[in-house]
Amino acid sequence: DGGITQSPKYLFRKEGQNVTLSCEQNLNHDAMYWYRQDPGQGLRLIYYSQIVNDFQKGDIAEGYSVSREKKESFPLTVTSAQKNPTAFYLCASSKGNEQFFGPGTRLTVL
Amino acid sequence: KQEVTQIPAALSVPEGENLVLNCSFTDSAIYNLQWFRQDPGKGLTSLLLIQSSQREQTSGRLNASLDKSSGRSTLYIAASQPGDSATYLCASQGDFNKFYFGSGTKLNVKP
Repeated sequence: DGGITQSPKYLFRKEGQNVTLSCEQNLNHDAMYWYRQDPGQGLRLIYYSQIVNDFQKGDIAEGYSVSREKKESFPLTVTSAQKNPTAFYLCASSKGNEQFFGPGTRLTVL
Repeated sequence: KQEVTQIPAALSVPEGENLVLNCSFTDSAIYNLQWFRQDPGKGLTSLLLIQSSQREQTSGRLNASLDKSSGRSTLYIAASQPGDSATYLCASQGDFNKFYFGSGTKLNVKP
């Protein structure tokens, strides 16, 4: 089955730690995205990548980093510089004009 | 910057009712408008995609319309069912493959 997988489903982080969220797609899509969703709010764009080895900052990139070494993979690192990282993180991909989403990772800071 | 607004934020209706969800956007220069459904704690599921050259799209009991000139899209749900209870989000696509999301309408269909 083609789709987008995200792992882990739940992630707990201690203050001061960096954590990495995984996103993999087998849809052969060129573009990939990371969004953050807070309760009762819409999605805010963190980073996006239109091709391998290239990515751009979104609206809330501070405290986050990404890499795009393979077409299928777009991991997101939440660094200790992100002061309020507790949120639901969604990865998406698109080819052309339709977006498809993974199941999400819920990150909680302890 | 594109701003997308969804009204109402929440809606509760009895089963069987027809309903309309609204989505408005400030910049009419969009490539398409996509409607999604999100269940609690889950990712987004694509419902309908309307290209900028189209006026509407239909899938089963769902019908979405697009009026670029007025910056509006509506999602019509016919004969609502309890299983339709979820949050519905709209998103517009702009330049550089960027998508802009509304904050969603939380729908509760009561049996």
